[in-house]
This record gives sequence, structure tokens and C-alpha cells, in this order.
Amino acid sequence: AQRVTQPEKLLSVFKGAPVELKCNYSYSGSPELFWYVQYSRQRLQLLLRHISRESIKGFTADLNKGETSFHLKKPFAQEEDSAMYYCALDAGNQGGKLIFGQGTELSVKP
Amino acid sequence: DAGITQSPRHKVTETGTPVTLRCHQTENHRYMYWYRQDPGHGLRLIHYSYGVKDTDKGEVSDGYSVSRSKTEDFLLTLESATSSQTSVYFCAIRIPGLAGAGELFFGEGSRLTVL
Repeated sequence: AQRVTQPEKLLSVFKGAPVELKCNYSYSGSPELFWYVQYSRQRLQLLLRHISRESIKGFTADLNKGETSFHLKKPFAQEEDSAMYYCALDAGNQGGKLIFGQGTELSVKP
Repeated sequence: DAGITQSPRHKVTETGTPVTLRCHQTENHRYMYWYRQDPGHGLRLIHYSYGVKDTDKGEVSDGYSVSRSKTEDFLLTLESATSSQTSVYFCAIRIPGLAGAGELFFGEGSRLTVL
């Protein structure tokens, strides 16, 4: 079955510390993976996608097919990074549905 | 930005009453989705549509129905609301990507409380 797992419900770090939000997926084909972010009282928005190999707001994520992971990383967390982060998988289903993980709340303390 | 609006944004209703949530887009995208967001569960797909009158079930479709009579509108109906349907509901549209998978663009959410 296709599944996305985010093992941490809450991650709390201090400003300036490195951050890694974990995401593991279950899919036998070639996945397309995304990270979405939801700031307080705002809509979900795309943060980055693996196919673009881009860095957004200092965040990067590398697809590791051997470990079936797509962890989100940032070397120096900022207070404005505090938000809910969702990892999502597009498994190529009909309808282009995304399968989301449970979400990780990131709290960056001053 | 893709234009997508949800209505109502907030609703409180009683168990057993029908509820309809509306999602409206302004850019004629083919694919539309309804998700619910719950703590500990993330976002779960309720129903989706791949064209006018073309809809299909997601992973948590029980108790919900949808309709899409026009490209721009995707309606989610709870025929008889239950307390377990208290949630935040998000509509999304799929924006075709330049390469690979497209991006989902979300509405602002509709918070439903069933008493």
C-alpha cells in the first residue's frame, strides 16, 4: 500500500539550530514527493518538490530511494519557520491524488 | 495565484442535519479535491473530481457525497452530519506542472463543528 509516514508529531528547536523533519514513504514505483507547509491560520502551500531539486527558504530535501525517505532539512532554523509541515506522495494514481503524512509541527523558540 | 474560494469558512451545525460545502475556482482546472484535516491524521482525501460529472472516492468517503455540474464548482455534502465529521475541510485544485507531477493549490479551509 502507498503510505507516507512522518514519525514526529512535534519538533521543537531553538533559533539557529539545525532542523530535520523526517518523512518515509512506501511505494514500489518511482515516486514524486513534495513538502507542504501551513503557517498559522493560512492555507497549505507547496514548499518544495523533489523533482525540482530546489532550495526554498533555506530548506532542502533529498530523495533517498534506498531508505525510501525524503527528509526536510534546514541548517539554521528561524522563528518564522514555525509551522505545520506535511510530506506528500504522488504515486501516479489516476486522478493525480496526493497522499499526505500525518504532519509535523515545527516550533522554533527564540 | 490560482483563484480558489471555499464557503462557508466556518459552520456550526447539529447532528443529523445536512451540510454542503462549496469550492469555487476561477481558472478551469480539471482536477479538484476535497480533503479533511485532523490532528494525528494529517490530510485525508474524501473525494476528487477529474472533470464535470466525473468524481471518485478517496480513502475516507463514507458519509460524504460530491457533485460537479460545472468546471468551476465542486460541492461536498454531508447528508446527515455526525460529530466525527467535525474537522477542517480543504478544497484543492491541481495545477499542471512544467515537468513531472503538478502542484496542488489549496483553499483556505472550512471549519465545520457538528454538535
